[in-house]
Amino acid sequence: KQEVTQIPAALSVPEGENLVLNCSFTDSAIYNLQWFRQDPGKGLTSLLLIQSSQREQTSGRLNASLDKSSGRSTLYIAASQPGDSATYLCAVRLFMNRDDKIIFGKGTRLHILP
Amino acid sequence: DGGITQSPKYLFRKEGQNVTLSCEQNLNHDAMYWYRQDPGQGLRLIYYSQIVNDFQKGDIAEGYSVSREKKESFPLTVTSAQKNPTAFYLCASSIRTASLSNEQFFGPGTRLTVL
Repeated sequence: KQEVTQIPAALSVPEGENLVLNCSFTDSAIYNLQWFRQDPGKGLTSLLLIQSSQREQTSGRLNASLDKSSGRSTLYIAASQPGDSATYLCAVRLFMNRDDKIIFGKGTRLHILP
Repeated sequence: DGGITQSPKYLFRKEGQNVTLSCEQNLNHDAMYWYRQDPGQGLRLIYYSQIVNDFQKGDIAEGYSVSREKKESFPLTVTSAQKNPTAFYLCASSIRTASLSNEQFFGPGTRLTVL
């Protein structure tokens, strides 16, 4: 059974620092992995999507990597800002028989200290 | 503006009542999803639909029902059989499920509280 884990559950860093958020999954047979941002009481905003054939994706100050063989993905945030404070979730997509499954981690709650 | 809308933003229900949460998208997406989010837990899939007039149960479908009569609409009914319905409900859509590149987009959510 696929499980997605995000550690730590919460993280506080001073403004301006670079940081890495981690996501691990137990079954490497994934089709893609997606990183989301969620602000309190809001829906999820898609940040980056990495297909299974890709190793990384970049968008602005964000860089996401994928290592299927080790079951790991990282989200790198450069030059962090207070506006980056949010919960970050990763989700893996897999197909089991005819079912489309997307498994979410529980998220890392990030707080950037001004 | 293209996107996914959910209504209402807040919903209060008395025990024993059925309530329906609305989800509409104008992205021309084939697939739509309903998730439930509880504090300290990840998102859990309730139902999903790959095409009009077809839908499948997710991991926690008991006490819920859906319909997909139109491509752009996927309403979720929380029935009185759902024993613990207080939660944040999120609707999502994607181009189609059998695609390696499809990205999920989410609505703003509905917070349901049982009184």
